[in-house]
Amino acid sequence: ELKVEQNPLFLSMQEGKNYTIYCNYSTTSDRLYWYRQDPGKSLESLFVLLSNGAVKQEGRLMASLDTKARLSTLHITAAVHDLSATYFCAVDPNTGGFKTIFGAGTRLFVKA
Amino acid sequence: EAQVTQNPRYLITVTGKKLTVTCSQNMNHEYMSWYRQDPGLGLRQIYYSMNVEVTDKGDVPEGYKVSRKEKRNFPLILESPSPNQTSLYFCASSPQGLAGDLQETQYFGPGTRLLVL
Repeated sequence: ELKVEQNPLFLSMQEGKNYTIYCNYSTTSDRLYWYRQDPGKSLESLFVLLSNGAVKQEGRLMASLDTKARLSTLHITAAVHDLSATYFCAVDPNTGGFKTIFGAGTRLFVKA
Repeated sequence: EAQVTQNPRYLITVTGKKLTVTCSQNMNHEYMSWYRQDPGLGLRQIYYSMNVEVTDKGDVPEGYKVSRKEKRNFPLILESPSPNQTSLYFCASSPQGLAGDLQETQYFGPGTRLLVL
């Protein structure tokens, strides 16, 4: 069974702190995505990671991909309240089709 | 404005009454997809379409139908809705085509909240 597991599922942190969200997946894949969802809103694309060792950064967020370990990380640097949201990783498995498998999401709350 | 639109945004219905949720995109994307979002489960893919008349099942296709007669539209049909189909539904599109290019990100619609009584 194809699985994408995120941890933690819930994260409460203080402003100014650093933290990492982990995304493990059980199948081979060369493509991994990170999305953000604000409460009551749709999903917004953050990063597309297309190769082993890929690293992308946008503001206080940095995402990386290790395809050999089947692991992606989303690192938050010096968190601010505006980063409070749910973060999803998603994987396109190399199964010959064009499916997308999402993780359960990490709900992040940044306290002022 | 480039966007994915869904209608209706909110819908309350009763068990067994057929319904259709429409999805339309104005970005000339080849790939379109439907997801349902349930608490603690993330998004689960229902169906996707690589192009007109090309559709395939996602992970949770039971109880749903789709069609892709035009490139811009990808309606989701519930022939006989049941309470376990109460959920938040998202339509998404992406530029990726059947050529197998590396997939770009998906652009999501605003969501349709469905309650089946």
